Amino acid sequence: EDQVTQSPEALRLQEGESSSLNCSYTVSGLRGLFWYRQDPGKGPEFLFTLYSAGEEKEKERLKATLTKKESFLHITAPKPEDSATYLCAVRDSNYQLIWGAGTKLIIKP
Amino acid sequence: NAGVMQNPRHLVRRRGQEARLRCSPMKGHSHVYWYRQLPEEGLKFMVYLQKENIIDESGMPKERFSAEFPKEGPSILRIQQVVRGDSAAYFCASSRYGTGLNNEQFFGPGTRLTVL
Repeated sequence: EDQVTQSPEALRLQEGESSSLNCSYTVSGLRGLFWYRQDPGKGPEFLFTLYSAGEEKEKERLKATLTKKESFLHITAPKPEDSATYLCAVRDSNYQLIWGAGTKLIIKP
Repeated sequence: NAGVMQNPRHLVRRRGQEARLRCSPMKGHSHVYWYRQLPEEGLKFMVYLQKENIIDESGMPKERFSAEFPKEGPSILRIQQVVRGDSAAYFCASSRYGTGLNNEQFFGPGTRLTVL
């Protein structure tokens, strides 16, 4: 069965303290792995798409990497405005997205 | 270029009433997806539509729920005879393409349904 697991469920960091969020997956025929950011009361905001192992993408303080079993979202020197829930989703050999439950990130000033 | 629009943002219904949720996709997007999200839980796929066609409704409850995406106008998610368990945030997303590369889904702000 296709599955996406994100860890940790929640992560508290001090401003400037770098860390990584994990998204591990089992899927038949990966057709892309997606990272989104969701703020309270809002819809998910698209961040990155990764298609093949070894691929990396960066945006400001965020960097996403992909292996055959998992993806990491690295956050370098985070700021309080990076606080949000980060969602990971994989697309299987059909078109459906299978979503993880998210990691709630809190950056304290 | 306006993003995905959903209305209403908040909807309160009493048990047994009908709820209609609307979604206008981004300009140039012809693929629409509806998701449901409960507090502290991930997104659950409900239905995938293209103009005038339901492509996949495997995530939709068999009873009381229906969706459409007419040739003109927004996509509608309709919930008949609502029950308290229907209370959730309902998100709509759209994409330019349905499959293949460059088919990222972009989300609207959601409709928060509360059933009293």
